[in-house]
Amino acid sequence: EVQLVESGGGLVQPGRSLRLSCAASGFTFDDYAVHWVRQTPEKGLEWLSGISWDSANIGYADSVKGRFNISRDNAKNSLYLHMNSLRPEDTAFYYCAKGDYGDYVGGSFDYWGQGTLVTVSS
Amino acid sequence: SYELTQAPSVSVSPGQTASITCSGDKLGEKDVCWYQQRPGQSPVLVIYQNMKRPSRIPDRFSGSNSGNTATLTISETQVMDEADYYCQAWDSSSVVFGGGTRLSVL
Repeated sequence: EVQLVESGGGLVQPGRSLRLSCAASGFTFDDYAVHWVRQTPEKGLEWLSGISWDSANIGYADSVKGRFNISRDNAKNSLYLHMNSLRPEDTAFYYCAKGDYGDYVGGSFDYWGQGTLVTVSS
Repeated sequence: SYELTQAPSVSVSPGQTASITCSGDKLGEKDVCWYQQRPGQSPVLVIYQNMKRPSRIPDRFSGSNSGNTATLTISETQVMDEADYYCQAWDSSSVVFGGGTRLSVL
């Protein structure tokens, strides 16, 4: 059974940093791209970043480019999102999602984690 | 930037057919997928590559995509189908989601 389990969310002050993790199991992690998607009631689902199976190709949404960094450790079956200079508008539920291709571009997200809540507030 | 537009809500009676649309410029030239999100749960892929269904999704769910509109069709709609539905496509190496449609079954 495919499982994606996010962790690392919580309350953080504006301007601070936070690192999210996603532990994957139930599939060959280093065969597939993985992504981060966030959700708020106001903006709905928003794709943030994706990383190819071998970390060679990475993409970011304009809204987080330069502030967020995605990385993966295939030896640990883990995906990470390093979030810097956090803003109140970054408050959201953050999901990791498995791509159905090895490259991060194209395809769909065939499995999602349960999400982790990040709240940016003073 | 590319946009996908969905109606905020759709209502259907149990047993009837629900159609949820997603519109975008020349959307028919892109691959569209659809996600179902029940309250308090994570999104679930129900249609990919416009019309393909993951094996765990019932065949009541179908999709099409042509021109500027993609459509998710749910036949013999059940109360358990009540959820938010999001379309998704790729544009310029970025993912675009529609705003979501809340399907009410009543």
